[in-house]
Amino acid sequence: NAGVTQTPKFRVLKTGQSMTLLCAQDMNHEYMYWYRQDPGMGLRLIHYSVGEGTTAKGEVPDGYNVSRLKKQNFLLGLESAAPSQTSVYFCASSYMGPGQGATNPYNEQFFGPGTRLTVL
Amino acid sequence: AQSVAQPEDQVNVAEGNPLTVKCTYSVSGNPYLFWYVQYPNRGLQFLLKYITGDNLVKGSYGFEAEFNKSQTSFHLKKPSALVSDSALYFCAVRVRMDSSYKLIFGSGTRLLVRP
Repeated sequence: NAGVTQTPKFRVLKTGQSMTLLCAQDMNHEYMYWYRQDPGMGLRLIHYSVGEGTTAKGEVPDGYNVSRLKKQNFLLGLESAAPSQTSVYFCASSYMGPGQGATNPYNEQFFGPGTRLTVL
Repeated sequence: AQSVAQPEDQVNVAEGNPLTVKCTYSVSGNPYLFWYVQYPNRGLQFLLKYITGDNLVKGSYGFEAEFNKSQTSFHLKKPSALVSDSALYFCAVRVRMDSSYKLIFGSGTRLLVRP
């Protein structure tokens, strides 16, 4: 049981290049999330998905696209990378969303180890 | 605006002493509050949550948190700190987002426990 995995762990891009970050979870979770972590700002939600084939925008979606073709995978794409997208990206998953059955012990989010992206 | 604040960038304590990491929130309605911990080069790990019930919530690794509605606070505590507790701690609150909910995270507090 690997939990939540992310690939790659590190990446350096030039401005304008594109790339895709892959998140995979083996816990059969319905909900998946992409966050970015910047110094002094905590985590900010980029996009999220409430199930296979669905995606929705979070707080800071501009410049990113996502896809959830399979339940276990959630892809984050940068079509044209910008220096402002230099950050650490975290994927997370949960059995239920933070608003569903709030007393349910399974609605915590499980996080991957992160991807450190630098855009030059 | 709904938000969560962690007023301290860093907290320093000696091993064996009690520790407190502060968190205050601003949300409409009943708050659902969470604490997560991040060790170096790792993702966030869930510590504990407050949904309803007792104001003192117990979580992983001997941590607990006290919910105080009048002060809109949810401070993380541990009676006796360990060097291995040194990490980055995040408080989070659930807020409404469109037809669903999301978590808003504080900026994080770095805990340094010295031997």
